[in-house]
Amino acid sequence: GQQLNQSPQSMFIQEGEDVSMNCTSSSIFNTWLWYKQDPGEGPVLLIALYKAGELTSNGRLTAQFGITRKDSFLNISASIPSDVGIYFCAGQLESGNTPLVFGKGTRLSVIA
Amino acid sequence: DSGVTQTPKHLITATGQRVTLRCSPRSGDLSVYWYQQSLDQGLQFLIQYYNGEERAKGNILERFSAQQFPDLHSELNLSSLELGDSALYFCASSVSSGYGEQFFGPGTRLTVL
Repeated sequence: GQQLNQSPQSMFIQEGEDVSMNCTSSSIFNTWLWYKQDPGEGPVLLIALYKAGELTSNGRLTAQFGITRKDSFLNISASIPSDVGIYFCAGQLESGNTPLVFGKGTRLSVIA
Repeated sequence: DSGVTQTPKHLITATGQRVTLRCSPRSGDLSVYWYQQSLDQGLQFLIQYYNGEERAKGNILERFSAQQFPDLHSELNLSSLELGDSALYFCASSVSSGYGEQFFGPGTRLTVL
């Protein structure tokens, strides 16, 4: 099946630092979604992107739809302890009407 | 709260048994998706239903089956359970059949002993 390469797999940062993570693929996507999952809970949608080059913010979170349509980036500014969790990217292939493809997640740990 | 509900929250059963997981999508959503998430693993897509009909299949075992009822709620049936079936099972819903945002429920944690 299709693969999304999400990196980094995990990261440890100090409270207050900015965070960047990304997803890349060899395929073209027409939608990118970013989710956050807390332990034992369901993923929560953070940001949805629908156009190449689109830059969308949700509070301290900013995500971008790469202009090649093969990648997406998520940045978190001024991290706080409640940012801890696993962040998943998901993409909808250009071919359409196919299930979302999920990355394997980035596990974020914030050190106070 | 995503608006997607799943029951039960936790389920503990023995190998060889059969269980049914239930999901109610958000109001107005016609598509339901089922995912499996094992410990420290990503989300594995199992199956999708749209307005009562199967729309897409992923890595779903033959021992597993699902259906979507006229009121749009969905059930995932897992039979002949094995230890390796222990996982979190998530349901998600979306308005359309293939595009757009999926909203996840809180999940059912299945433990097979």
